[in-house]
Amino acid sequence: GAGVSQSPSNKVTEKGKDVELRCDPISGHTALYWYRQSLGQGLEFLIYFQGNSAPDKSGLPSDRFSAERTGGSVSTLTIQRTQQEDSAVYLCASSFPGPSSYNEQFFGPGTRLTVL
Amino acid sequence: AQTVTQSQPEMSVQEAETVTLSCTYDTSENNYYLFWYKQPPSRQMILVIRQEAYKQQNATENRFSVNFQKAAKSFSLKISDSQLGDTAMYFCAFILSGAGSYQLTFGKGTKLSVIP
Repeated sequence: GAGVSQSPSNKVTEKGKDVELRCDPISGHTALYWYRQSLGQGLEFLIYFQGNSAPDKSGLPSDRFSAERTGGSVSTLTIQRTQQEDSAVYLCASSFPGPSSYNEQFFGPGTRLTVL
Repeated sequence: AQTVTQSQPEMSVQEAETVTLSCTYDTSENNYYLFWYKQPPSRQMILVIRQEAYKQQNATENRFSVNFQKAAKSFSLKISDSQLGDTAMYFCAFILSGAGSYQLTFGKGTKLSVIP
């Protein structure tokens, strides 16, 4: 079966522009996560969706970042007025429902965002 | 808050040899999971091995094994008979056990190069 897919694979934008990053989770996975991987750093948690529950947005670094998940499937991460420090790889993961720590998070290939 | 430390930014190993990657973590909790993820140049994060903290027996997956020392909060990964395909970034990660726990905490990674 298909894994987690993300688009675009790479995105180059100018400072101040808005960008949208898309994630398609594995079918049947109701939990969806976004992480950010900056150069030389590990993955940093951004946001978590579980079914119809309110998302945990505690990891979003600023109010320029937002995410939504439509119909419990596809998710979009939006960064408004991009800054150079937003340059990073943005990774999406999904997992089965239930106690999440028991369930493996499957990762997509990420979107490499470069802000000039 | 939990932290994960990988003290080896880069390592190299000859093909067919054995290499050990180090990871330490800090938590005041007793029940958790530890993971090693592999990230090849394709950026796809792949779960290599998982260890439940309540299990004393070290996890093994084919050529991959861990040395889990709970009292020392140490979780090293041993790769035996290294292969060229093992070249990748390796991340140690931590998650608390239990319902409602979903945030993986990652180390900064170790870049492993397998030399032919």
